[in-house]
Formats: sequence, C-alpha cells, structure tokens
Amino acid sequence: AQSVTQLDSHVSVSEGTPVLLRCNYSSSYSPSLFWYVQHPNKGLQLLLKYTSAATLVKGINGFEAEFKKSETSFHLTKPSAHMSDAAEYFCVVWGNSGGYQKVTFGIGTKLQVIP
Amino acid sequence: EAQVTQNPRYLITVTGKKLTVTCSQNMNHEYMSWYRQDPGLGLRQIYYSMNVEVTDKGDVPEGYKVSRKEKRNFPLILESPSPNQTSLYFCASRMGLGGPYTGELFFGEGSRLTVL
Repeated sequence: AQSVTQLDSHVSVSEGTPVLLRCNYSSSYSPSLFWYVQHPNKGLQLLLKYTSAATLVKGINGFEAEFKKSETSFHLTKPSAHMSDAAEYFCVVWGNSGGYQKVTFGIGTKLQVIP
Repeated sequence: EAQVTQNPRYLITVTGKKLTVTCSQNMNHEYMSWYRQDPGLGLRQIYYSMNVEVTDKGDVPEGYKVSRKEKRNFPLILESPSPNQTSLYFCASRMGLGGPYTGELFFGEGSRLTVL
C-alpha cells in the first residue's frame, strides 16, 4: 500500500521568514518522492525530487527537502519566504515495482505569504 | 518548447452529452496519465498509459474512457457526463521506466469541466 499525508492544509508565514511544509509517506517499496507547486489557474510544476541519491535535495526557487527514511518524512523548507511563493504545494510518491506504476498525491498545502 | 497541451481549457456541458478532452505531448514520452483535482482531495489518477495501446485504470476510473492510438495523444472520453464529474482535469506525461529522470511528470495547464 502507498499513501501520502500532508500534515497541514494551510500554512501562513510572513515574508522573509522560514517556510516548512510537512509530508509523511508510506510505501511498500523504495519510492521516489516529489514536491510540486501549483500557482492559481496553472498546471503543476516540479520543485524537486528524491530518487535514492542524496537525502538532502535542492530544488528551484531556494526550496529544499530532506528525505528521512526512519521518520518516513519528506518535508519541504525554504529559509526566507517571498510573496511569489504563495501557491499550493503537493507532495507526491511514485512507486515502481515490477513495472507497476503507482503515483499518489497528497491533498495539498496552501501557502499564504503575508507582507 | 517541450509541453503538454490540453483542450478545451474550459467547458460547460449538460448531463449525458458525450465529450472528449484532448491531450498531446511533444516530448516523445512513453507514459501519459489523467488526473482530476477536487478541493480537499488533491489529485487523483483516473487512467494511465505506459505506451501505445497499453492503458490501465487509476484510482477513480468510473465514468471515463481513454485510448492511446498514437504515442503523443491520450484523449479522455466522458461517454455520459454527470454532475459529479465536474472537476479540474490534468493530463501529464513522463519518460518510461528507467533513465535519470524517472518519475518526473510534466503537466498540462488543466481543463475545467462543469457538467450541469
């Protein structure tokens, strides 16, 4: 079985302060993990991905995430929020076993950035 | 420019009137898939295709059909739409199994469908 839990549906931060968006997953196999961002009326854009290489993954726009197998977590962080970061963020698990492809999305976290 | 193109972007229709949402990608990707996005539920996979003539159900396939006759196209068909299919739909594609970019999905801009 495979699942993704985004622990916060809404997160509000002040501009210039750190961002933390939390994601926990479960998977029977060694998964690939992703964070996507969706701006209003747009498709999803890849922020970063973990595919069993380095556990600390750097993405675009200053975002990074750390894969912690012992905690089954893949939290997204950014040191300093910018107004343009206001969007919805999705944590995604991709499992690949014997050619069977299973992708599972979290329900999303809406990030509000306050001036 | 590498892209996934969906049409129409917006559609209002009535119950029972068959419709097709087209999806085309220009990246020669093997894998294509459809999702619907509903508030509080995130994205849920409807169907996916590993290659031409190979399709399989996702998590919410009821009421939908797909076909994959050409590598670049993966249309989503609603034979008899109902109001509970009102949603925002996304098509996505990626390379096949293996390779350094395994798993990265490229998304279209979305198609907002309203069924009255």
